[in-house]
Amino acid sequence: LAKTTQPISMDSYEGQEVNITCSHNNIATNDYITWYQQFPSQGPRFIIQGYKTKVTNEVASLFIPADRKSSTLSLPRVSLSDTAVYYCLVGDVRGSQGNLIFGKGTKLSVKP
Amino acid sequence: NAGVTQTPKFRVLKTGQSMTLLCAQDMNHEYMYWYRQDPGMGLRLIHYSVGEGTTAKGEVPDGYNVSRLKKQNFLLGLESAAPSQTSVYFCASRSSGIKEGEQYFGPGTRLTVT
Repeated sequence: LAKTTQPISMDSYEGQEVNITCSHNNIATNDYITWYQQFPSQGPRFIIQGYKTKVTNEVASLFIPADRKSSTLSLPRVSLSDTAVYYCLVGDVRGSQGNLIFGKGTKLSVKP
Repeated sequence: NAGVTQTPKFRVLKTGQSMTLLCAQDMNHEYMYWYRQDPGMGLRLIHYSVGEGTTAKGEVPDGYNVSRLKKQNFLLGLESAAPSQTSVYFCASRSSGIKEGEQYFGPGTRLTVT
């Protein structure tokens, strides 16, 4: 299983772009990278998933370098409502269904 | 669509009591999961199912049992509750289709064992 390392916490201000980097040095060939967001007292919510290069949706962008040993979740122009915990997961989503590991995540605090 | 629902939302048990948590999804998803989340921690997988009638162990299965008799329901049972099982339990489901890896989570069940 690919282990991930993320910063425990980050602070930002409204309107800024936030980049959260996740390290996954032993990522396997069939592994995908998935990011989730979790608000207090709620279940996690899927944000974005990618395999390589760049993926963008209406919420965020995911940048994955060629060696795939890290990935960066980019949140454009954050607001107070983006204050949450963000989890980076790495796993073969097409294989065994029990190998997506949620670490402790990164607690993002957005200030006015 | 209601998405993923969990019953009950809160429950207090005494040590040794049993209970069943119900998860229901109306998205016709094949895969369903049960996680637990302890304070300040990420989610840990308890059991999962890849289809009706199938179940498999996750990272922390001891003390729990599950059943998937119907595709839309995934039950988590505690036969003899222990204080160490005090946690928030989340159910999730996902499709085997295009958006692999995208799990939909329920609102959670907060369980306290005294």
